[in-house]
Amino acid sequence: NAGVTQTPKFQVLKTGQSMTLQCAQDMNHEYMSWYRQDPGMGLRLIHYSVGAGITDQGEVPNGYNVSRSTTEDFPLRLLSAAPSQTSVYFCASSYGVVAGGRSTDTQYFGPGTRLTVL
Amino acid sequence: KQEVTQIPAALSVPEGENLVLNCSFTDSAIYNLQWFRQDPGKGLTSLLLIQSSQREQTSGRLNASLDKSSGRSTLYIAASQPGDSATYLCAVTRSNDYKLSFGAGTTVTVRA
Repeated sequence: NAGVTQTPKFQVLKTGQSMTLQCAQDMNHEYMSWYRQDPGMGLRLIHYSVGAGITDQGEVPNGYNVSRSTTEDFPLRLLSAAPSQTSVYFCASSYGVVAGGRSTDTQYFGPGTRLTVL
Repeated sequence: KQEVTQIPAALSVPEGENLVLNCSFTDSAIYNLQWFRQDPGKGLTSLLLIQSSQREQTSGRLNASLDKSSGRSTLYIAASQPGDSATYLCAVTRSNDYKLSFGAGTTVTVRA
């Protein structure tokens, strides 16, 4: 198993540009999520999905869109990049989905995408 | 809102010393607590997961305890090695919405 993969590893954007961060997992996990990590602030949840066709917002969703057309893929789209979106982005997945559509199992993280917005 | 705090932010110890990392959280209504390791420029690797009904979990040289009533967890790493140098993060899963709240992490350096 490749686990959770993310592309690209590094990206530099200009303000106003759009792009998509790719995330894929080959473990047949139902729950997938996106986090951003900023110095001294820990990880913050952007969006998450409890299965194909179902997504929901996390703590910091503004400026980001997601979709989940397959179990394997969960791309994150930046609509109009801003310097405040400079961060390291992590995708995570886990197996369990309990009643209410939430996951509580161990989460597996991708290697991250380091994004700089100028 | 759940606040997760890890103190100290950084720690440096000589090889062989036992490590004690602390995590505190403000809302005791948690489903579980996880400890992760993060190496520079890498993703997070799960080390231990403690369910809210458990008091501790052990894996090799690692032992994590949980005191839900006081809002604290401690990660013990016995006989530290230079390879243990990394950032350690704790995260709690909230009972009301099952989302994870992360601490900012403790960066550990083990000197050879």
